Amino acid sequence: QKEVEQNSGPLSVPEGAIASLNCTYSDRGSQSFFWYRQYSGKSPELIMFIYSNGDKEDGRFTAQLNKASQYVSLLIRDSQPSDSATYLCAVRDTGNQFYFGTGTSLTVIP
Amino acid sequence: DTGVSQDPRHKITKRGQNVTFRCDPISEHNRLYWYRQTLGQGPEFLTYFQNEAQLEKSRLLSDRFSAERPKGSFSTLEIQRTEQGDSAMYLCASSSRTSGTFYNEQFFGPGTRLTVL
Repeated sequence: QKEVEQNSGPLSVPEGAIASLNCTYSDRGSQSFFWYRQYSGKSPELIMFIYSNGDKEDGRFTAQLNKASQYVSLLIRDSQPSDSATYLCAVRDTGNQFYFGTGTSLTVIP
Repeated sequence: DTGVSQDPRHKITKRGQNVTFRCDPISEHNRLYWYRQTLGQGPEFLTYFQNEAQLEKSRLLSDRFSAERPKGSFSTLEIQRTEQGDSAMYLCASSSRTSGTFYNEQFFGPGTRLTVL
């Protein structure tokens, strides 16, 4: 069984701070790694994806991947109240199946 | 609106009844995925299509579930003899092979919320 593990939280950070979200995965054959944001009652929306070791930055978001440690993280800089949501980590395997974690609930306090 | 659409948005049914959901992907997206999500969990992969071909199906998926994409455009997901454990949000997502993303960008529809009484 391929697993994606996330700390369910809740994680609370003050407005303007850096939020750090972490994820580990079990399948070493995983090809691509994703972070989705899901607001309550809404569908997931893709924030960014990464498939090479290292960092990938997109605006206030930075994804970090370490395949040797089977670890992927998401940093949110200058956190805003509108960032309050559940963040889902997902991995894509060689069969193009996507496996999601249970999500980390983030609250940004004004 | 050119996003992924799903119909119906809500479905309430009695145990033992059959239900069918429809998903219309973004135009020209040739991959289409079905997921199931319950409260407090992440989406669980059910199956996916590339054009009209069903390429993968979750080994955890009961034989009561079947999906089709007959013309490579819209897709249907049918659940036969529904059980209370089938109550969940059923999500559809689509993607395409665009330069630099290689099907990595999945766009989700609003989902169909199923309640089995």
